[in-house]
Amino acid sequence: GNSVTQMEGPVTLSEEAFLTINCTYTATGYPSLFWYVQYPGEGLQLLLKATKADDKGSNKGFEATYRKETTSFHLEKGSVQVSDSAVYFCALSGGDYKLSFGAGTTVTVRA
Amino acid sequence: DTGVSQDPRHKITKRGQNVTFRCDPISEHNRLYWYRQTLGQGPEFLTYFQNEAQLEKSRLLSDRFSAERPKGSFSTLEIQRTEQGDSAMYLCASSRGQGDVNEQFFGPGTRLTVL
Repeated sequence: GNSVTQMEGPVTLSEEAFLTINCTYTATGYPSLFWYVQYPGEGLQLLLKATKADDKGSNKGFEATYRKETTSFHLEKGSVQVSDSAVYFCALSGGDYKLSFGAGTTVTVRA
Repeated sequence: DTGVSQDPRHKITKRGQNVTFRCDPISEHNRLYWYRQTLGQGPEFLTYFQNEAQLEKSRLLSDRFSAERPKGSFSTLEIQRTEQGDSAMYLCASSRGQGDVNEQFFGPGTRLTVL
């Protein structure tokens, strides 16, 4: 079945540092890929998405590229801020519509 | 507020009691999903509806769990004879279901604690 493996946390960074969170997946067919974010005390929010190979999703300075050859969808941001402190979840959706999530990576950005 | 809403936000119950949660999706969304999230893990799929039809149930959904969406709008998730292992955050999500690459919008969740 479908599964997602993402980098274990927690990750602690200083403001303006470069962030990368690795995500790899196993799926049949051609899934859609997502990054969701959960800020402290809030619900899950869609951060970005990509629907086919080589697509790049981007939002709020974050980017991720759908790499079919390496079955990866790594999340990157060039200069993080304290407000980026959150839990980040990689997820995929196949033809069966349900989302399969990774375990989440907690990111803390220090001023 | 036109987002997904869930009620209650928190529920504490004793082992063996029944509990029911409600989810109100975004009004034009015809797909509705339930997930369960335990501490330190990502959400796990439980079940989903297309309008009022329940189309898939996970193996995680034991016989003690039942979900309904009687008129294709709000949904309820009932857990009978709760066990301590049922303690988790129960999340509801909805999506349009029409060529939207299944972008799901999540509610704030109901946190269940079984004593």
